[in-house]
Amino acid sequence: DQQVKQNSPSLSVQEGRISILNCDYTNSMFDYFLWYKKYPAEGPTFLISISSIKDKNEDGRFTVFLNKSAKHLSLHIVPSQPGDSAVYFCAASGAAGNKLTFGGGTRVLVKP
Amino acid sequence: ETGVTQTPRHLVMGMTNKKSLKCEQHLGHNAMYWYKQSAKKPLELMFVYNFKEQTENNSVPSRFSPECPNSSHLFLHLHTLQPEDSALYLCASSLGPSAHNQDTQYFGPGTRLTVL
Repeated sequence: DQQVKQNSPSLSVQEGRISILNCDYTNSMFDYFLWYKKYPAEGPTFLISISSIKDKNEDGRFTVFLNKSAKHLSLHIVPSQPGDSAVYFCAASGAAGNKLTFGGGTRVLVKP
Repeated sequence: ETGVTQTPRHLVMGMTNKKSLKCEQHLGHNAMYWYKQSAKKPLELMFVYNFKEQTENNSVPSRFSPECPNSSHLFLHLHTLQPEDSALYLCASSLGPSAHNQDTQYFGPGTRLTVL
């Protein structure tokens, strides 16, 4: 049973436009959420996180929104750049110590 | 060196070989992790170490044997692997339990393992 799901396996967006990535979770014990970016043959790179006491966190071009009632979070990238082309993973923790549960990833392609 | 480093970056081994993967973190963290990423699958947590003690073994076969001699180093000893064990093996580190439920993990570049 996948507790963290990213239902869109891929996303294509024009350079300069907004990229919106979505993530749903089922475990109400999760209280800390993270987004990672991954290039091929590299480890995931931490992007941004949000605690369950907030509903929005912003860092430069990246904003994460959390809707606890819907058990849904999203990552907005604006403006999108070609270097943002990568696989993005959402992850959640809090249900069991410092373990992270990852979604399956969304591949983003930003077209010039 | 900064962050989390892993060696080797690529490894090809036969099913009867014994090899080891090494991970080192330069972040002053107290927790270290091994993950496996197979093609088209989510990241799978294998082991968790907090303050050098193993606190999680996610039903990993005994042909994978972790070792954590100190908070900065983590090894994964490999013995009589199967071709289906071919994957990207990722190490990560974090502050650990002292991060008070806002624990961010930082990953190394991974070791691409091929078992023939």
